[in-house]
Amino acid sequence: KAGVTQTPRYLIKTRGQQVTLSCSPISGHRSVSWYQQTPGQGLQFLFEYFSETQRNKGNFPGRFSGRQFSNSRSEMNVSTLELGDSALYLCASSSTGNNEQFFGPGTRLTVL
Amino acid sequence: AQTVTQSQPEMSVQEAETVTLSCTYDTSESDYYLFWYKQPPSRQMILVIRQEAYKQQNATENRFSVNFQKAAKSFSLKISDSQLGDAAMYFCAYRSSGGYGNKLVFGAGTILRVKS
Repeated sequence: KAGVTQTPRYLIKTRGQQVTLSCSPISGHRSVSWYQQTPGQGLQFLFEYFSETQRNKGNFPGRFSGRQFSNSRSEMNVSTLELGDSALYLCASSSTGNNEQFFGPGTRLTVL
Repeated sequence: AQTVTQSQPEMSVQEAETVTLSCTYDTSESDYYLFWYKQPPSRQMILVIRQEAYKQQNATENRFSVNFQKAAKSFSLKISDSQLGDAAMYFCAYRSSGGYGNKLVFGAGTILRVKS
């Protein structure tokens, strides 16, 4: 089976712009979670989608949003980018009833 | 809210020797899962080992084993016969069981350096 894929792998944006990141889970996995990784804050949970519904949400401002499509692919969007949004964004997928999450390679976002 | 603490920012081990990484957590729940993830320089997160809280037996995966002390809320990772490929950042993570989804709460991580 192919692993979790994330596109793009690298992204450079300027403050005030918006960005959309994409995550394709492992085939058959219906849960997709997103995490932000920064040197200062470490790994923080953004949100989780399951069967097109947001099931869980972390403590991030409303500028961070996401969605999931019927094929389980997920996107996250960050509007009005700030310098502090520069981070590695990781997504992870898991199957129903399985407690193991499989991570993608991440998208490195740099905000200038 | 659950918290995970890794008190060792960095550890070093000689190749072929054993090293233990520490992790403590705080929760009021009785059932949950604990994980150790490895993140090499490629940044790809890899699951090393997992432990279900209801299991008293410590999990083992080849050279990796855990010491799970539920009452003390401690979950350490022991790496035996360390190899150069073990060099990475290691994260301890907590996940609630039941209908709380797949949210992982991570510790700050421990950088493991392996000397040849």
